Amino acid sequence: NAGVTQTPKFQVLKTGQSMTLQCAQDMNHEYMSWYRQDPGMGLRLIHYSVGAGITDQGEVPNGYNVSRSTTEDFPLRLLSAAPSQTSVYFCASSYTGAAYTFGSGTRLTVV
Amino acid sequence: TQLLEQSPQFLSIQEGENLTVYCNSSSVFSSLQWYRQEPGEGPVLLVTVVTGGEVKKLKRLTFQFGDARKDSSLHITAAQPGDTGLYLCAGYSGAGSYQLTFGKGTKLSVIP
Repeated sequence: NAGVTQTPKFQVLKTGQSMTLQCAQDMNHEYMSWYRQDPGMGLRLIHYSVGAGITDQGEVPNGYNVSRSTTEDFPLRLLSAAPSQTSVYFCASSYTGAAYTFGSGTRLTVV
Repeated sequence: TQLLEQSPQFLSIQEGENLTVYCNSSSVFSSLQWYRQEPGEGPVLLVTVVTGGEVKKLKRLTFQFGDARKDSSLHITAAQPGDTGLYLCAGYSGAGSYQLTFGKGTKLSVIP
């Protein structure tokens, strides 16, 4: 089925560990974004991309890196995990940049 | 920084009742979307409104974009348990800004 695929669905990390959250879409969308969702905070934009090779920071980029080597993939890297990064992470893609298709999320716990 | 205020934050109603959720901002948006999110899943797009004053209907859901394109409302008629979920509004400012501003959401529970 066409859509946005995120892996893993659940992850537990120790403080200081690094990891990559994977995101892939098969809709040939140029626009892709990463959000984190925390109770009472809503969805906050971490990084976004308007096409292969082009990325930019969102509202809460610190502690995260992204790259966009292909149209399909937009991985999110946590450099040195901290308890404050415990959250649910969503990847989303869009044809227009205005309305997005979301993945089912990665629930990350940092202990 | 653009903000979207959603109200109410929580809503618990009986099956068959009507309800309205509001999304307000002091900023003008090129378009506004409404999403519904169920537990353990990502948000799913319900509708996009673009023109000031626009009204769109999706079965028992009616969406309206304010004339000044600063606010929107979602009205559900005869709510059903299947309507339970988190409703999110998101504004797109356009003009080369490929970012959405999300409200914090309205958590709706429809009791059978």
